[in-house]
Amino acid sequence: QVQLVQSGAEVKKPGASVKVSCKASGYTFTSYTIHWVRQAPGQGLEWVGWIHAGNGNTKYSQKFQDRVTITRDTSASTAYMDLSGLRSEDTAVYYCARDLFPLIVAPPMGYTYWGQGTLVTVSS
Amino acid sequence: EIVLTQSPGTLSLSPGEGATLSCRASQSVSSTYLAWYQQKPGQAPRLLIYGASSRATDIPDRFSGSGSGTDFSLTISRLETEDFAVYYCQQFGSSPLTFGGGTKVEIK
Repeated sequence: QVQLVQSGAEVKKPGASVKVSCKASGYTFTSYTIHWVRQAPGQGLEWVGWIHAGNGNTKYSQKFQDRVTITRDTSASTAYMDLSGLRSEDTAVYYCARDLFPLIVAPPMGYTYWGQGTLVTVSS
Repeated sequence: EIVLTQSPGTLSLSPGEGATLSCRASQSVSSTYLAWYQQKPGQAPRLLIYGASSRATDIPDRFSGSGSGTDFSLTISRLETEDFAVYYCQQFGSSPLTFGGGTKVEIK
């Protein structure tokens, strides 16, 4: 069965960086896109960016363009989200999510599988 | 950026009643690229509808989606206790991908 397993909770100081991992299993990792979505406490969902796990192409929200890097390691079937210059407003649960269809079939249309979420707390 | 506005913010209903949730886009969105999710406290969202009207795998047929252009809706025909949750729409038509602010469906 498809699973996305994320790394554990992080506590960071303002200005620091955090790297969250998302290990995929149960499907052909390189055929799909992996997206990152965050949710601040008590708030809605916010898209951060995505990576095509096959060719490594990325697309980021302009809001995070200067601070986020999404990468992948195909040998480990793992995607990573690196966010730098952390501020208190970045405190949130960060989710990875897999797209509905392989990219060769259709562009992103919905997230069928989600990781369990990683709480990143930014506090001095 | 396409802004998605969901209404109402909160819907108070009883089990067995029907619910209609609205998602209005600031610019036209292709129906192909409009999805709906359900989220319960402490859980990741769950995909309900993609392509505006296609139910995702294992989603009961009491959930249906419709709409086009700038106006989309999610209908729950008869609420069951497990349906009380927050619902989000999301557009994939243009970057940045955006979510609506959510509609909370609560027990009256």
